[in-house]
Amino acid sequence: DTAVSQTPKYLVTQMGNDKSIKCEQNLGHDTMYWYKQDSKKFLKIMFSYNNKELIINETVPNRFSPKSPDKAHLNLHINSLELGDSAVYFCASSQVPTGGYEQYFGPGTRLTVT
Amino acid sequence: GENVEQHPSTLSVQEGDSAVIKCTYSDSASNYFPWYKQELGKRPQLIIDIRSNVGEKKDQRIAVTLNKTAKHFSLHITETQPEDSAVYFCAASKGGSSASKIIFGSGTRLSIRP
Repeated sequence: DTAVSQTPKYLVTQMGNDKSIKCEQNLGHDTMYWYKQDSKKFLKIMFSYNNKELIINETVPNRFSPKSPDKAHLNLHINSLELGDSAVYFCASSQVPTGGYEQYFGPGTRLTVT
Repeated sequence: GENVEQHPSTLSVQEGDSAVIKCTYSDSASNYFPWYKQELGKRPQLIIDIRSNVGEKKDQRIAVTLNKTAKHFSLHITETQPEDSAVYFCAASKGGSSASKIIFGSGTRLSIRP
């Protein structure tokens, strides 16, 4: 009965590869997010979807492509991985997209690019 | 856009003492200020939040104060315990605005000395 789940938990890959991270929430929330947390613990929003529609797209390289097949799922595909992409990626969800509600985070995916 | 500054970056207190973490924000339209706790290797979790129509909020040993005029808010933890050791993030957003982002501070690593 996990609220927000992500797979995989760990991802180790070489530069230039393409990888995907999957996220699912069973909270019935309309809004889902991808955050990146770097080695200094900075937590920065990358994308947000509301009911399958992209509503926030931060200054992220276009090698990163999110996809939301339905409002309970949000995936992140990364092409041509670079060393600087190494980080922990958190998926999150909230009731509505208006910013005044709790964000429920997934357990994170630690991506290591070698 | 919104900018949230958080101080100190690290804080060490004796068990049983109080800890205070301070944040400032730049956008006077921000009206929702959550605090998240992230234990080592875990996901960020909401511990308390405050909205701009309230000056102070308490929940057991945790309290948050907000000064809208000065655009700063603080987290107070009293009678600290070992389980309070974690990274704490303040954040700000414009609740009620469509596609509003939550902007996180840079985090405070709190250590409780036995």
